[in-house]
Amino acid sequence: DIQMTQSPSSLSASAGDRVTITCRASQSISTYLNWYQQKPGKAPKVLIYAASTLQSGVPSRFTGSGSGTDFTLTISSLQPEDSATYSCQQSYASPFTFGQGTKLEIK
Amino acid sequence: QLQLQESGPGLVRPSETLSLTCTVSGGSISSSSYYWGWIRQPPGKGLEWIGSVYYSGSTYYNPSLKSRVTISVDTSKNQFSLKLTSVTAADTAVYYCARRVQPGAPNWFDPWGQGTLVTVSS
Repeated sequence: DIQMTQSPSSLSASAGDRVTITCRASQSISTYLNWYQQKPGKAPKVLIYAASTLQSGVPSRFTGSGSGTDFTLTISSLQPEDSATYSCQQSYASPFTFGQGTKLEIK
Repeated sequence: QLQLQESGPGLVRPSETLSLTCTVSGGSISSSSYYWGWIRQPPGKGLEWIGSVYYSGSTYYNPSLKSRVTISVDTSKNQFSLKLTSVTAADTAVYYCARRVQPGAPNWFDPWGQGTLVTVSS
């Protein structure tokens, strides 16, 4: 199985800050990497697919980059509603695997 | 828009079989561009893909659960189902159904159902 490792596990930032979350795959997955946002008690929602393609309706302050084994999700100007857990997921090979999640708190 | 809704018992006894159904509305489960899958999340933990089914009935499963999982599809009812046998407390989780979008090589899960908590306990 391809292991997905995210860092940090949690972070706290202020509204207006720029934050970056990192996801590393245990082997190359090209750009088969998706990012999800999950708010407490809610289902995950896809933000970015294929490493850098913004899902329709997702604010442009979210950007994804990377290829191979190293990927990043950047939120350019944090908004209060961005408080959530963010998870990466590889879609390169079955079994599809997720990172452990990064919990983002807005101060 | 497309919506998915999980249904099934919220409590299952150890060693018994967990059975859930996902009802798809606002679109057809028989579309050739999509797979349909189950994903679970134990309390306070990360997401785990369980398996997926195509409208034709072809399936593939996470090897870690393969011996206990069956996913099936009923196109006449626009539903797909999950059965997980011989459950233990480790199977306690929120279970989500989701559509896997695969227009080409990239693929992703969207949308998701709201999720249903299944607790394994006597």
